Formats: sequence, structure tokens, C-alpha cells
Amino acid sequence: AQKVTQAQTEISVVEKEDVTLDCVYETRDTTYYLFWYKQPPSGELVFLIRRNSFDEQNEISGRYSWNFQKSTSSFNFTITASQVVDSAVYFCALSDSNAGGTSYGKLTFGQGTILTVHP
Amino acid sequence: ETGVTQTPRHLVMGMTNKKSLKCEQHLGHNAMYWYKQSAKKPLELMFVYNFKEQTENNSVPSRFSPECPNSSHLFLHLHTLQPEDSALYLCASSQEYRGGNTIYFGEGSWLTVV
Repeated sequence: AQKVTQAQTEISVVEKEDVTLDCVYETRDTTYYLFWYKQPPSGELVFLIRRNSFDEQNEISGRYSWNFQKSTSSFNFTITASQVVDSAVYFCALSDSNAGGTSYGKLTFGQGTILTVHP
Repeated sequence: ETGVTQTPRHLVMGMTNKKSLKCEQHLGHNAMYWYKQSAKKPLELMFVYNFKEQTENNSVPSRFSPECPNSSHLFLHLHTLQPEDSALYLCASSQEYRGGNTIYFGEGSWLTVV
């Protein structure tokens, strides 16, 4: 069975601090996909990134960066120089591509991390 | 601007009412989803439609009834709900129902059952 764990329930930082959100996953599949979503107070889940299990290159997009480490089954997300607008709930998610598996096509979410950035 | 739009954004209904949530996607996708997000609970997948066929019903009570007339539209019909059904209902879509496809979400419909 798939599982995603976001151990940090809430994080509070002051603007301009760097912050890392942790994500640890479990899957028996060799081919799988990892995602991060942002949910601001308005409610919409905003897609941030998708990585497949064969691409371990870290990715940077502006102030956002992602560190994918298969050896530790982690896909951590770092926000550099945080801003108040980064305040939101962040979800890590996992899906596999095993057509024969019971979790085929399903997106398994972590519990989410509430990030509050204070001015 | 989101490619998945939901109406209404907020809904208050009594336990004897019948109402519907509407979702429309403008992304040319073939799979559509309903998720439920309650306080202190993870996101729960309710229903999946792939190419207009229902492929997942995650043990959802019959007081929730989905309808998918075409690949672009999805409804969730609500009747005789309970207060514990109060939650954020999120519609989503993806190219198809297949592992690895990115799922895009709407802004959600906040439902309060009184």
C-alpha cells in the first residue's frame, strides 16, 4: 500500500527565512510519481511540481526547490526567502503507474503542512 | 485563472434539502474527480469518471450522487445530508485516470449542512 507522511503539522517562520517541508513516502512500485500542491485559504489546490521515480535531479523554480532522494524515500520542498503570500497548506502526494496494482491511478496525499509566514 | 471551475463556491443547506454542485473543466481532459476535504482529515477521493464512465466509487454514501454527462462536466447531487457532511468538496481533472497524470483542482465548494 502507498503512504505519504508529512511529519510537520505546522511550521511558523518570519518573512525572508528559508523553510523546508518534509515528505516521506512508501510504495512497493518501481515506477511512481510524486507531487506537491499548495492550498491557500481560498481552498483551491494549486499544482506545483510532478517528478517521476527515475528522475532524481533536484529542481529549482524561482524561490522553490525540491530535493528528491530515492535512498531515503523523501521528496522535500524548500522555499527560499519566504514571503507572506507563501502562507498556505502544502500537500505532498504519490501515485503509481502499475496497471495491475490496486492503487492504480490513485493519488495518495499526505496530511499536509500548514505554513505560516509572519511579516 | 483555474482551468477547473466549480459552482457554487459556498452552499448552506438543510438536512432535507436537495442541491447540486457543478464542475466544469476547460483543459480538454478525460478524467474528472470529486474529492472531499474535512477538517482534520486527509483528502478523500469520492468518485472518478474516466471517459464519462464511473471507475471509482470510494464507498461513498448514496446521499451523494455523481453525474458526468460529458468529459467536461461533472455534478454532485446532494440529498438528505448530515451535518458531518459539511466539508470542502473539490472537483479535479486529469488527462485520463492513470498513474502519473497530473490532477488539476478547482477552487472547491464549501458546503455547510445545518
